[in-house]
Amino acid sequence: GQNIDQPTEMTATEGAIVQINCTYQTSGFNGLFWYQQHAGEAPTFLSYNVLDGLEEKGRFSSFLSRSKGYSYLLLKELQMKDSASYLCAAFSGGYNKLIFGAGTRLAVHP
Amino acid sequence: EAQVTQNPRYLITVTGKKLTVTCSQNMNHEYMSWYRQDPGLGLRQIYYSMNVEVTDKGDVPEGYKVSRKEKRNFPLILESPSPNQTSLYFCASRAGAHQPQHFGDGTRLSIL
Repeated sequence: GQNIDQPTEMTATEGAIVQINCTYQTSGFNGLFWYQQHAGEAPTFLSYNVLDGLEEKGRFSSFLSRSKGYSYLLLKELQMKDSASYLCAAFSGGYNKLIFGAGTRLAVHP
Repeated sequence: EAQVTQNPRYLITVTGKKLTVTCSQNMNHEYMSWYRQDPGLGLRQIYYSMNVEVTDKGDVPEGYKVSRKEKRNFPLILESPSPNQTSLYFCASRAGAHQPQHFGDGTRLSIL
């Protein structure tokens, strides 16, 4: 079957580092996206991994292991504005169907 | 400004009354999709389109129709809405296979 799992909620302290994990089982895997979604707003793109390894973009990094069906999003130097839901999404069976996880709600505290 | 525009943003209506949610993008993207977002379930794909006159079902197509007569527009039609279609709906577009989706601001539908 097709499934994407990520933790429901996480909390972290301002200035710290947090890692949000995502495991997936999809047919015909072709890449994995991470999106950020603030409450009541549309998702916005953070990163895309298609090959194994780490992709770094400023305070945000994303890692993919295709053999393990595993990805993580790493957020450094956390800021209050990073409080949001983080959505993991993977292609399934080609490039038309994108399967989303239920999202991880991150709360950053002072 | 590059954007995906959905209308209406909010709608409260009654069971059985046909409604259409419009979606328009100004980026000349080929791929467009409709999603619904429900608490605890995340975003689920309803329909997608790879180009004009080319559409296909996503994971939850029952009760919905779409059309793609022009590249920029991808309306979502609920012929006979029911309460279980109460949800937050997002339209999205992307330029190509490996490109990220650009989402509209969402449409919150309440079917009474």
